[in-house]
Formats: sequence, C-alpha cells, structure tokens
Amino acid sequence: QKEVEQNSGPLSVPEGAIASLNCTYSDRVSQSFFWYRQYSGKSPELIMSIYSNGDKEDGRFTAQLNKASQYVSLLIRDSQPSDSATYLCAVNRDTGRRALTFGSGTRLQVQP
Amino acid sequence: DTEVTQTPKHLVMGMTNKKSLKCEQHMGHRAMYWYKQKAKKPPELMFVYSYEKLSINESVPSRFSPECPNSSLLNLHLHALQPEDSALYLCASSQDRTGGVNTEAFFGQGTRLTVV
Repeated sequence: QKEVEQNSGPLSVPEGAIASLNCTYSDRVSQSFFWYRQYSGKSPELIMSIYSNGDKEDGRFTAQLNKASQYVSLLIRDSQPSDSATYLCAVNRDTGRRALTFGSGTRLQVQP
Repeated sequence: DTEVTQTPKHLVMGMTNKKSLKCEQHMGHRAMYWYKQKAKKPPELMFVYSYEKLSINESVPSRFSPECPNSSLLNLHLHALQPEDSALYLCASSQDRTGGVNTEAFFGQGTRLTVV
C-alpha cells in the first residue's frame, strides 16, 4: 500500500464548476498535510496547508481533513482554465522521519 | 518572502563531468531538502539537512554528494552521473520546529539536469 494515494486523473471539470481532489494516507503518525499545485515543467507551489480536523478555506480553495478516516481533500470553487495543473497531496510527521511524502498527483483539466 | 533560489536553471553534463547544483534561502529556515522528480512522477526525497546536519539520506548513490555550508545554502555535488539521472532537481526549505507542528515547505524553481 502506498503511503499517500491519489487518483491520477485526469479530472475534467467545466469552467466555473467545483473541482474535488482527494487523497488518503496510511501513516497515522502524519500530522501535517499540504496541497501543492504543479504546472507542467515547473516546480511545486504550495497552495494549502492543514493541521487539524475540519475545513480550512483560503479564497477559492478549501482543504478538508479527517484524521480518523485518514483522508484529505481539496475543493476548488469557480474553477478556471488557469487551475489546470497537477495537484500533489503531501503529508509529514512531527517526529521521526520528517520530510514530505507525496502522492502521485491528480491532473486537473478545466474546460473553458 | 517565500523565495528559494536554485542555480543553474538548466544543466547539461557528460558522464565524466563534475558539477554542482546550488540552493539558497533567506527565510531563516533550518531544514533544507533535495528532491528528484522524473517526468509525470511526484518528487522523490533524496536528502534532508536539519540545522546544517544531514538527517536523512534516502539511500542515494554516492555519485550524488550533498553539502550544507551554512543555514542558508545547500549544494548538491554531481560526479559520474548516468543518463537515467536526468531529471528535475528540486530544493526546498522549511522551518523545523522540534516537537511542534511542521510548517510549510517551499520549493525553488528547480534545476533541469540532462546527462549525456
């Protein structure tokens, strides 16, 4: 079982719709959760971090965390063609091996 | 300012060459990372420095040699690489709050390495 799992996609949504990206993780010691956006040929860009159960909103982005279910999600409201990218879920521990572990990424396509 | 600067942006090297990748941050971060990313794959951890000491080496071949001269700089020395080492090499940094919640890691723009 992979430590961090994401559906590779592509996830295709029309412009203006809500895009929902999901991620599950296997290590219960994980305490920090991140979403990165990566455009083709570019480096990952941090867009959201979440540390406690519940929702965290930042502009058009909402991250949701459920530690009991070991599940993290990212909602993108009013999706724009410029949101088309690969979204990487990453998790980290507070103790022991402390470095980001990435999922394989979900490719999002927003159709104009 | 969340800037991590990597140089060079592109590098082409022969299998007998020695070259170095450089990374710099001025955010006061005490953890710095090297990741390798192949096309259509996620970043793969290579090394972690915490407070200028090597804390994680993900069994990386010795032809890759990391160095952390001070808390702002991270180098990756390359020697006798193979064509399959061609990839995007990413540097990242984060605060390293022992016992607390980790803070975010910020990536540089990467070095696109081609080994010929």
